[in-house]
Amino acid sequence: DAKTTQPTSMDCAEGRAANLPCNHSTISGNEYVYWYRQIHSQGPQYIIHGLKNNETNEMASLIITEDRKSSTLILPHATLRDTAVYYCIVSRGDSSYKLIFGSGTRLLVRP
Amino acid sequence: GAGVSQTPSNKVTEKGKYVELRCDPISGHTALYWYRQSLGQGPEFLIYFQGTGAADDSGLPNDRFFAVRPEGSVSTLKIQRTERGDSAVYLCASSLIRSSDTQYFGPGTRLTVL
Repeated sequence: DAKTTQPTSMDCAEGRAANLPCNHSTISGNEYVYWYRQIHSQGPQYIIHGLKNNETNEMASLIITEDRKSSTLILPHATLRDTAVYYCIVSRGDSSYKLIFGSGTRLLVRP
Repeated sequence: GAGVSQTPSNKVTEKGKYVELRCDPISGHTALYWYRQSLGQGPEFLIYFQGTGAADDSGLPNDRFFAVRPEGSVSTLKIQRTERGDSAVYLCASSLIRSSDTQYFGPGTRLTVL
């Protein structure tokens, strides 16, 4: 499975957009990009995933570059409850059961 | 609806003891996963069940760790002769049918081995 690189920590102001980058330069053509987050003392929570096209749901937007070597998770209007560790994971569809978490990005949303 | 539940939420045991950790997946989910998370690290895959059988147990660290899912629903992770290094949060997740479906995680069991 391809490995990912994320900044250790980021912060943003409440109400502003949070843009979390992820590098996955060794991603293969059949690998998806998944984003999960983990709020303190809780289990990871699925946010969004994509293959090639940009994706949007009620939680976030996922922007994948054309060469697929990097992506950005966008929380359009961050709230204090979005403070969490965000994990970018690359996985094949047939073996996505083996989610390989890195250290993630610790996002702090400031009041 | 009800999410994945795990019991107990906290377990403190002594070195050398045997422990069992329980996971109740979301009703109707056929795939079940166990992960382990050490302090400051991301979760680490342990084992994956499809129905009653373990489809992949390559993440189990050694033969002291064993997991079962006899009726294809509830799963139990069993750790024999616990060691201090086993202290971690043990997370369970389930997904609907296929391994590629979204995984939903429980709150975890915090195991402390003294």
